[in-house]
Amino acid sequence: GQNIDQPTEMTATEGAIVQINCTYQTSGFNGLFWYQQHAGEAPTFLSYNVLDGLEEKGRFSSFLSRSKGYSYLLLKELQMKDSASYLCAVLDSNYQLIWGAGTKLIIKP
Amino acid sequence: EAQVTQNPRYLITVTGKKLTVTCSQNMNHEYMSWYRQDPGLGLRQIYYSMNVEVTDKGDVPEGYKVSRKEKRNFPLILESPSPNQTSLYFCASSRKSGRGSTDTQYFGPGTRLTVL
Repeated sequence: GQNIDQPTEMTATEGAIVQINCTYQTSGFNGLFWYQQHAGEAPTFLSYNVLDGLEEKGRFSSFLSRSKGYSYLLLKELQMKDSASYLCAVLDSNYQLIWGAGTKLIIKP
Repeated sequence: EAQVTQNPRYLITVTGKKLTVTCSQNMNHEYMSWYRQDPGLGLRQIYYSMNVEVTDKGDVPEGYKVSRKEKRNFPLILESPSPNQTSLYFCASSRKSGRGSTDTQYFGPGTRLTVL
């Protein structure tokens, strides 16, 4: 079966750096998305990786290793507003989006 | 403003009473989709539509119907709701066709449905 694994919950301190991991086993691969979802709100797009390596976008970076079936989202200079759930989703060979259950990130002052 | 809208945002209903959740997008997107989100589970796709008059089942279609008569609208219909359909529902759209193309999906604000 197809599977996306992310930690359920993480805690970090304001101003610090946090890395949220995502591992996947899917039938084929056409890219990996990260979305941010604040409590009770809609998911919003953060990043899309299809090639190996690191993509940086301001305070957020996303890394992909296709050979390892692994990605991470790196958040720097954490702010209280970064408290949210972070969803990892993979496009399989049929362009079906497989979603992880999300990682709830709690930021403490 | 480019957006996906859903109505209602909150709904409490009783078992068996037909309901419709509307979804509309103003971005001229071809692809639209409905998801449900439950605690501890990822987003699960209910139905999707690649264009007008083209709809197909997602992963959890049982108990739901959809229609796509116009490009901008994609209503979700529960003919006879049951308590196991209590969930948070999201409508989403993206520019290109394809069940889950590489295009970014834009999500509506969500509809929290409770079926008693």
